[in-house]
Amino acid sequence: QSALTQPRSVSGSPGQSVTVSCTGSSRDVGGYNYVSWYQQFPGKAPKLMIYDVSKRPSGVPDRFSGSKSGNTASLTISGLQAEDEADYYCCSYAGSHWLFGGGTQVTVL
Amino acid sequence: QVQLVESGGGVVQPGGSLRLSCAASGFTFSNYGMFWVRQAPGMGLQWVASLWDDGGNKHYGDSVKGRFTVSRDNSMNTLYLQMNSLTAEDTAVYYCARRDSGGNSFDSWGQGTLVTVSS
Repeated sequence: QSALTQPRSVSGSPGQSVTVSCTGSSRDVGGYNYVSWYQQFPGKAPKLMIYDVSKRPSGVPDRFSGSKSGNTASLTISGLQAEDEADYYCCSYAGSHWLFGGGTQVTVL
Repeated sequence: QVQLVESGGGVVQPGGSLRLSCAASGFTFSNYGMFWVRQAPGMGLQWVASLWDDGGNKHYGDSVKGRFTVSRDNSMNTLYLQMNSLTAEDTAVYYCARRDSGGNSFDSWGQGTLVTVSS
């Protein structure tokens, strides 16, 4: 049960787009369309931002989008805003267990 | 609105036991699978355990298998995590989370409860 691989940090200026990658294997990310993404602010609980690879829960701004190619999933934030500065975690179902990525700190310059 | 409230955290000595609870409200608890997820200080999220709506199909992460037991009481709308043989590596904030209907994501989270294993 190895963690999924995410970059430690990404950054962008307000209005720009940033993409966070999440790399796994054919046993998890590549094997199921059950990748989800979570936003977490310091000292707070995570919040679901994307589920089933590319679906957005109601209330999540449409500047957040998800995709997957092979064993790598991606979260894209278009039109980056100051309030998007947070940690982001990917997660994949892997057949009776779940794997999280190590987390990516998104910084708005 | 969906509300999940964890309790039962605290300081425990290595080798000790602790039982966490998660009180659910705002939805029909018996219709949803539930999870425990933990986060060690300054670290990332780690899935700990899951069980389905009827209390069956229990699964555990490798690091807790054989030591932790997840259960639920649908009549009390409460999820539990019994933790035995605790070590310093179990020190973390423990979150309960709801499984999204029909999928495999965590759509609602509690605020977490801190477990510290220390002598």
